[in-house]
Amino acid sequence: GENVEQHPSTLSVQEGDSAVIKCTYSDSASNYFPWYKQELGKRPQLIIDIRSNVGEKKDQRIAVTLNKTAKHFSLHITETQPEDSAVYFCASRDNYGQNFVFGPGTRLSVLP
Amino acid sequence: NAGVMQNPRHLVRRRGQEARLRCSPMKGHSHVYWYRQLPEEGLKFMVYLQKENIIDESGMPKERFSAEFPKEGPSILRIQQVVRGDSAAYFCASSPVSAPGANVLTFGAGSRLTVL
Repeated sequence: GENVEQHPSTLSVQEGDSAVIKCTYSDSASNYFPWYKQELGKRPQLIIDIRSNVGEKKDQRIAVTLNKTAKHFSLHITETQPEDSAVYFCASRDNYGQNFVFGPGTRLSVLP
Repeated sequence: NAGVMQNPRHLVRRRGQEARLRCSPMKGHSHVYWYRQLPEEGLKFMVYLQKENIIDESGMPKERFSAEFPKEGPSILRIQQVVRGDSAAYFCASSPVSAPGANVLTFGAGSRLTVL
């Protein structure tokens, strides 16, 4: 089955700096890659996603890049703010299993 | 649209009791997923259901755990004879359609089970 790895497990950045979180997946049939943000005690919420026919997608300060050949995708957050502090999960989904497999998460701390 | 509704939000059980967690998907969503999250850990897939059918239960323990999504009413995750290790947040999520194509997964607020 699909295996999703995520690095780093924790990340601290200064406010205003950029943050990058990387994920790798194992199943070449995976074709949808969402990113979720989970604040303490809250539900995971979708922040951005990318499909396999696209290499990059941006939404204001966040962007996701996908390298299908290498089977990895990354989340980029620019001009980080304290409210970006949370746990971020990547996930993948294939066209056949229909299941979403999540990475172990990255705890991002934005220091003022 | 009320979103994905889970109840109860908090449930306390003593060892050996049963826990029933309910999930009503978003309106128009026909697929439900259950995930378990231990404190400070990730989202572990448990089971994926559509109405009256279990699609994938590969993440669910074979004993004591069961799930259903009846034709009418919410999806239910049932844990029999709970043990302390079952203490966790259980998140339900729903999506509108199955493959082909990828669809957005929307999470409920979670049910936090504490086993004394």
